[in-house]
Amino acid sequence: SQQGEEDPQALSIQEGENATMNCSYKTSINNLQWYRQNSGRGLVHLILIRSNEREKHSGRLRVTLDTSKKSSSLLITASRAADTASYLCATDGNNRLAFGKGNQVVVIP
Amino acid sequence: KAGVTQTPRYLIKTRGQQVTLSCSPISGHRSVSWYQQTPGQGLQFLFEYFSETQRNKGNFPGRFSGRQFSNSRSEMNVSTLELGDSALYLCASSLVAGLQETQYFGPGTRLLVL
Repeated sequence: SQQGEEDPQALSIQEGENATMNCSYKTSINNLQWYRQNSGRGLVHLILIRSNEREKHSGRLRVTLDTSKKSSSLLITASRAADTASYLCATDGNNRLAFGKGNQVVVIP
Repeated sequence: KAGVTQTPRYLIKTRGQQVTLSCSPISGHRSVSWYQQTPGQGLQFLFEYFSETQRNKGNFPGRFSGRQFSNSRSEMNVSTLELGDSALYLCASSLVAGLQETQYFGPGTRLLVL
């Protein structure tokens, strides 16, 4: 079964720096979504990129999708302490969402 | 517009008991899906309901079941609880079925099985 897998697993950066994380998946998808989760709470939707899109922006977020490599990246620019969270990618396939384990990002003030 | 609500937020049960969790979707959303999150397995899909019908089910034993009511509220039930069922249970709602659009998640119910 397909599964989003983020890489790297943990990232620690200084406030103001950029944070980049990657996600790979195994089968064909319609969309790929990124979510943020704070301290084991509910997920907050960040951005959805469709399989026919290559790049998408939302505020300080930039997502790219390379369907030939079955991978996506999430870039957070000018990070803030409030960005400290776990970031998960989710792929749709077989009529279900498959999530990766998540990238833990710590932004140091 | 109110977000997705889940009740209860925390629950402690003992092995062998059963538990029912509730999820109220965003008004107008007809799709509700459920997920189990554990440190070891991450977030795993349980099932999706749309218009009171189960559309898809994940790879969980039959002890895990759910239903959806005509007002789109959903419940999931776990019978004969096991220690491994301790997890954060999340539900999400969406306007359309199929999980291909944005999912709006509730805060989750944290279940501890002793």
